[in-house]
Amino acid sequence: SQTIHQWPATLVQPVGSPLSLECTVEGTSNPNLYWYRQAAGRGLQLLFYSVGIGQISSEVPQNLSASRPQDRQFILSSKKLLLSDSGFYLCAWSVSGAETQYFGPGTRLLVL
Amino acid sequence: EDKVVQSPLSLVVHEGDTVTLNCSYEVTNFRSLLWYKQEKKAPTFLFMLTSSGIEKKSGRLSSILDKKELFSILNITATQTGDSAIYLCAVHTGTASKLTFGTGTRLQVTL
Repeated sequence: SQTIHQWPATLVQPVGSPLSLECTVEGTSNPNLYWYRQAAGRGLQLLFYSVGIGQISSEVPQNLSASRPQDRQFILSSKKLLLSDSGFYLCAWSVSGAETQYFGPGTRLLVL
Repeated sequence: EDKVVQSPLSLVVHEGDTVTLNCSYEVTNFRSLLWYKQEKKAPTFLFMLTSSGIEKKSGRLSSILDKKELFSILNITATQTGDSAIYLCAVHTGTASKLTFGTGTRLQVTL
């Protein structure tokens, strides 16, 4: 069966510091991968999605970037965090071409 | 711009009550509508609806889609405290499997 992992679970970072959040999927090949952010009390905002290694689409202009160095690995990064980057970051995967997305446990990021 | 609107934003009910959560949408290239339940962390998948008028059911939860009026409802009967969560509605618009989410309905079930 497929599983999706995210780490770390919680992160507190100072403004201006770099960020790297990692997501890996097991038990499937060539998945579509997604990064979402959820602000407190809000819905999910799609940040990036990827349909293959090295293929990244950005949905909103922002301080973040994403990379997919391996088929089942998706990384969210920033060179310098802003206060507004605080939130709950969720990684998700889907079978290529399918609609249902499955979410990882999330990373709660607090930028101080 | 694709839009998904959920109502109410929050709801408090007593255990045993029946609740109806609403989701309306305005999107291009509609393919399907999905419901998720989010407790503390990851949203978990509940239903996917693609055809109007066909009810999907799982235990005390059921959902139906109206593609003419562009909305869906999620019903929960005989609510339990374990139903307390944020319920998210999302619409798949056929572009690289992207989902557009609503802001969610926060449901609290009290004893």
